[in-house]
Amino acid sequence: EVRLVESGGGLVKPGGSLRLSCEASGFIFSSYSMNWVRQAPGQGPEWVSSISRSGRTINYAESLKGRFFISRDNSMNSLFLEMNILRAEDTALYYCVRKDVVGATDAFDVWGPGTMVTVSS
Amino acid sequence: SYELTQPPSVSVSPGQTARITCSADAMPKQYAFWYQQKPGQAPVLVMYKDTERPSGIPERFSGSGSGTTVTLTISGVQAEDEADYYCQSVDSGGFWVFGGGTKLTVL
Repeated sequence: EVRLVESGGGLVKPGGSLRLSCEASGFIFSSYSMNWVRQAPGQGPEWVSSISRSGRTINYAESLKGRFFISRDNSMNSLFLEMNILRAEDTALYYCVRKDVVGATDAFDVWGPGTMVTVSS
Repeated sequence: SYELTQPPSVSVSPGQTARITCSADAMPKQYAFWYQQKPGQAPVLVMYKDTERPSGIPERFSGSGSGTTVTLTISGVQAEDEADYYCQSVDSGGFWVFGGGTKLTVL
């Protein structure tokens, strides 16, 4: 079964840091580019960052550049998101998402259940 | 910045046809994707590359596009189709963008 499971969310004070992890299983992790997408309570999804299969190509949403850092470890089938200088507006459910670069869809075809990040004093 | 505009809500009775539009504010329009999200669940892909339906998605879901607007059509709407629907595309810089979402209510 293809699965993505996020972890590392929690309550953090403004200005703090957090590192999210995503463990992939059921597919060849190194064959897919990966993304983080977040969704604030009551809002729509917002793309955060993407990383290529090799990890050499990385993109961030313009508003997050310089504070968030994505990385991956293909040997551990894992994706990470380091978040720094957190603000209240970063409060959201953070999803780990696979992009189908192998099949025909070219879409965000597999989503994890998400991990909640709450930034509050 | 690149934006995708959706109507906030669409309401239809069971068995009717629901049409949800997504308009891009700039050309060229890249491929669009559609996701269905039910309360407490992660989004699920229901349409890719404007008009293609993933395996496992019912045939009553279809997609179309014209100019800078794409449309998700659900024919013969069922109660289980009640959900939020989001379109997604990519801007000229290669960055992914989601629409604001449309809440489909089945009356």
